[in-house]
Amino acid sequence: GIQVEQSPPDLILQEGANSTLRCNFSDSVNNLQWFHQNPWGQLINLFYIPSGTKQNGRLSATTVATERYSLLYISSSQTTDSGVYFCAVGPDHEKLTFGTGTRLTIIP
Amino acid sequence: NAGVTQTPKFRVLKTGQSMTLLCAQDMNHEYMYWYRQDPGMGLRLIHYSVGEGTTAKGEVPDGYNVSRLKKQNFLLGLESAAPSQTSVYFCASSKPGQGLYEQYFGPGTRLTVT
Repeated sequence: GIQVEQSPPDLILQEGANSTLRCNFSDSVNNLQWFHQNPWGQLINLFYIPSGTKQNGRLSATTVATERYSLLYISSSQTTDSGVYFCAVGPDHEKLTFGTGTRLTIIP
Repeated sequence: NAGVTQTPKFRVLKTGQSMTLLCAQDMNHEYMYWYRQDPGMGLRLIHYSVGEGTTAKGEVPDGYNVSRLKKQNFLLGLESAAPSQTSVYFCASSKPGQGLYEQYFGPGTRLTVT
């Protein structure tokens, strides 16, 4: 099956800093999604982005499908951005394989 | 809209007991999923359904059964619970038929098997 690697595994930043999270995958995909799991365990969908670039407020994501990676950018970090960020990919729209996540901690 | 809801939120079982987890969605989504999340391993797909009356195996289906008798509900059953099934279980749904590929998740069920 598809392998998904996320880096870095842990990231600690001061409030206001910018960050870049990376997702590498081992095979071509038609489905790529980014999720945020907050400290209470709730999973929120951030982006559906199998290719190209999208922006939503302080968050943006870019997927370069031909090179098999995706990047999630967080600008002007806030403490509410803390949590675990997951990348998930799939060859179709039926199934997703999740990475092990990047744990982001924002310090006030 | 309540979105995706899961019942119960917490449960403790003894080895060998059975139980059913209920997932309900009110977004008229075609696809529904059951995942488990273990520490340090991300989420792994157990079973999924692409429509009422259909189910399919995911990455880790052994020890679980599912049913999708109604479009809005997806049930996950454990026939004989084992300590290895201690985990947090998440249900999700999506509506690919209208280009809405994003998966939306429920709040999770924390299951402990002793």
